[in-house]
Amino acid sequence: KQEVTQIPAALSVPEGENLVLNCSFTDSAIYNLQWFRQDPGKGLTSLLLIQSSQREQTSGRLNASLDKSSGRSTLYIAASQPGDSATYLCAVIWGGGSQGNLIFGKGTKLSVKP
Amino acid sequence: DAMVIQNPRYQVTQFGKPVTLSCSQTLNHNVMYWYQQKSSQAPKLLFHYYDKDFNNEADTPDNFQSRRPNTSFCFLDIRSPGLGDAAMYLCATRTGNQPQHFGDGTRLSIL
Repeated sequence: KQEVTQIPAALSVPEGENLVLNCSFTDSAIYNLQWFRQDPGKGLTSLLLIQSSQREQTSGRLNASLDKSSGRSTLYIAASQPGDSATYLCAVIWGGGSQGNLIFGKGTKLSVKP
Repeated sequence: DAMVIQNPRYQVTQFGKPVTLSCSQTLNHNVMYWYQQKSSQAPKLLFHYYDKDFNNEADTPDNFQSRRPNTSFCFLDIRSPGLGDAAMYLCATRTGNQPQHFGDGTRLSIL
């Protein structure tokens, strides 16, 4: 069984700070890993997708890394802004290769204070 | 441009009264998913379609059904909603090794 854990559950930082969100998974046989952002009352917005053969992906101020062997991924946010405040969810596609399903963590709720 | 569209955004129904939520996509993705998300919890997969093949999760209640009449549309039917079914319902699509795309969700309230 695959379990995805995100630490911390909540994080509050001052504007401008660099921060790291952590995600761990119990079964390393994942197809890929995806980071999402969710604003209150809204759906999920895909931020970054890392294929199982990749080590990292970057988009603007965001950088996601993947270490399959240790079952870990991190999302690095540089120069945080109040607009980054949201819940960040990590999910892995597992079980069945490309036909596997997304298994989500519970998310990290980020608050960036002006 | 919205690519996964869920209607309505907010749905209120009475206890035990059947309700249908809809999802449409303009991406022509072959996989469509329905998730249930309760407050401060991870999205929980209810079922998905891989093309026309329906895949039900083992712990999805019988109360929940789904239809996919064509590639673009997928429906979630709740036959007899209970108070515990109040949640955000999320539709998502995917193809190959591309990212999943989510709609904005339908928030269901039960009176």
